[in-house]
Amino acid sequence: EIVMRQSPATLSVSPGERATLSCRASQTVSTNLAWYQQKPGQAPRLLIYGASIRAAGIPARFSGSGSGTEFTLTISILQSEDFAVYYCQQYDKWPPLTFGGGTKVEIK
Amino acid sequence: EVQLVESGGGLVKPGGSLRLSCAASGFTFSTNTMNWVRQAPGKGLEWVSLISSDGTYIHYADSLKGRFTISRDNAKNSLYLQMNSLRVEDTAVYYCATQFYGVKIFDNWGQGTLVTVSS
Repeated sequence: EIVMRQSPATLSVSPGERATLSCRASQTVSTNLAWYQQKPGQAPRLLIYGASIRAAGIPARFSGSGSGTEFTLTISILQSEDFAVYYCQQYDKWPPLTFGGGTKVEIK
Repeated sequence: EVQLVESGGGLVKPGGSLRLSCAASGFTFSTNTMNWVRQAPGKGLEWVSLISSDGTYIHYADSLKGRFTISRDNAKNSLYLQMNSLRVEDTAVYYCATQFYGVKIFDNWGQGTLVTVSS
């Protein structure tokens, strides 16, 4: 099973600043990596797949990069609606499909 | 508009059973691979199971094999999860989710249904 680890667990950022979230896989997943956003009381929302491809309707301030075992989600200019928990998920080797433990982006 | 509406959650004692349902609308259900993903209170996401569009291939998380059974009824646009021998650690919100074309990611999610396993 591929283990996904996210860091940091919590990221405190001021609105208008940049946020950089990391995700590491226990073995290579090529670019078969997705990112989701989840707000309290809501279902997750797909943001990025293929490590860097924005899903439909996702603003350009969200960008993904990386390949192999190291991945990054960057939110270039944080808006108030971006404060949420973010999860990465690998879909290279399955079952199982596995998620990281999440990074909470909170208001500084 | 894609809609996924889960139901069937509730309080059940350890060792008990529940059947979750997911009613789908707004897309061609019969051509989509479907998934269940769960989230324990205050915890992260855990993939549970998937079923192909015609039900011919099915996969489960190893920890659930033998206790959970996924199924679908394309005539009713519905997805199901039969959960037996429930444990306290199965307590979670259970989401149904569509698979994004041939890629094992989840592009549409329901609002979830809460399953609480407690004596």
